[in-house]
Amino acid sequence: NAGVTQTPKFRVLKTGQSMTLLCAQDMNHEYMYWYRQDPGMGLRLIHYSVGEGTTAKGEVPDGYNVSRLKKQNFLLGLESAAPSQTSVYFCASSFSGNTEAFFGQGTRLTVV
Amino acid sequence: GESVGLHLPTLSVQEGDNSIINCAYSNSASDYFIWYKQESGKGPQFIIDIRSNMDKRQGQRVTVLLNKTVKHLSLQIAATQPGDSAVYFCAENLIQGAQKLVFGQGTRLTINP
Repeated sequence: NAGVTQTPKFRVLKTGQSMTLLCAQDMNHEYMYWYRQDPGMGLRLIHYSVGEGTTAKGEVPDGYNVSRLKKQNFLLGLESAAPSQTSVYFCASSFSGNTEAFFGQGTRLTVV
Repeated sequence: GESVGLHLPTLSVQEGDNSIINCAYSNSASDYFIWYKQESGKGPQFIIDIRSNMDKRQGQRVTVLLNKTVKHLSLQIAATQPGDSAVYFCAENLIQGAQKLVFGQGTRLTINP
């Protein structure tokens, strides 16, 4: 049972480049989330999804887009990367909004 | 040892002592709270949760206390071990029946041998 898997684990982008982060979960969870974590800070919610085909904005959605075409996958896109998006990105999933969220191992993204 | 949540991000305790990590949450309507542990280079790991209709919940060596009157959450770790060294985050579900889990800043717990 893999849980929540994020790819890639590391990435370096140049300013203006685009990329997609993939999150996959095998627990049949309805809810999925993307967070970013900056040094010495807690996690901030970027976008989330309450089911296949749905997405919603979190605390810091600007500069990111998401898609949930399949229940098990939640994609986070950066259309034009900026240095301010250098961060560690975590994906999570949960059975419902009021249950434990399981986290992936993170993607360390550096924008130069 | 005891922390004051967001205003004291580090806490050091001796191995074997008990530790208390505090968290002030923001929304009086929040109905669900979780404590997570994050080790260096890893994702957050669930420790224990509590719902707003409870004021105390116990797990293995951990206890969470919820005081809704002052919007305060604490995590007690008994008989700390070196493996307890990590950053601990509290998280609250902002809206009843919704899905917005918001994290606090975190407290770094260091266990001294």
